[in-house]
Amino acid sequence: NAGVTQTPKFQVLKTGQSMTLQCAQDMNHEYMSWYRQDPGMGLRLIHYSVGAGITDQGEVPNGYNVSRSTTEDFPLRLLSAAPSQTSVYFCASRRPSTGGFPYNEQFFGPGTRLTVL
Amino acid sequence: AQSVTQLDSHVSVSEGTPVLLRCNYSSSYSPSLFWYVQHPNKGLQLLLKYTSAATLVKGINGFEAEFKKSETSFHLTKPSAHMSDAAEYFCVVSDRGGTYKYIFGTGTRLKVLA
Repeated sequence: NAGVTQTPKFQVLKTGQSMTLQCAQDMNHEYMSWYRQDPGMGLRLIHYSVGAGITDQGEVPNGYNVSRSTTEDFPLRLLSAAPSQTSVYFCASRRPSTGGFPYNEQFFGPGTRLTVL
Repeated sequence: AQSVTQLDSHVSVSEGTPVLLRCNYSSSYSPSLFWYVQHPNKGLQLLLKYTSAATLVKGINGFEAEFKKSETSFHLTKPSAHMSDAAEYFCVVSDRGGTYKYIFGTGTRLKVLA
């Protein structure tokens, strides 16, 4: 299994440009999430999905869109890039919990390092 | 609301000495707790997880953590540090409150001195 894969690894954008960060998993996990990592702030949840066709906002959703048309893929779209979106972006996936507890661990992709000039 | 606090942003130890990374949590329900490790320019890897089966949890690479409900703590320890342990470590909490969200601590960067 490749696990969780992300492309690209690095990206430089100019303010106002748009782009899509790709995420795919081959573990048949229903749950997928996008996080951003900024120095001294840990990881913060941007958007998540509990299955194909179902998405919801996380802690810091502004400026980002997601969709989930298949179980495998969960792309993250930056509509109009801003310097504040310079960050490292991680995609993660996990199986749903049985009976609601305990939560299963998440599997993370290698990350995309994005710089917005 | 749940939260997690990692009490040290940086920890330095000498190779061969014990490691202690501290984590306190706040949760309305019985939590699931995780420790993840992130090596430079890499993704996050699960070290261990607590899901109420046992309070002392053993993980990979000789790490372990003890869940102490009375102290709301989940500290990560290792008896003897190795140079390869140098990385950033994240404590994560998720409770059964119905939201899917994992809450990450701000991380502890571990430095291992030769």
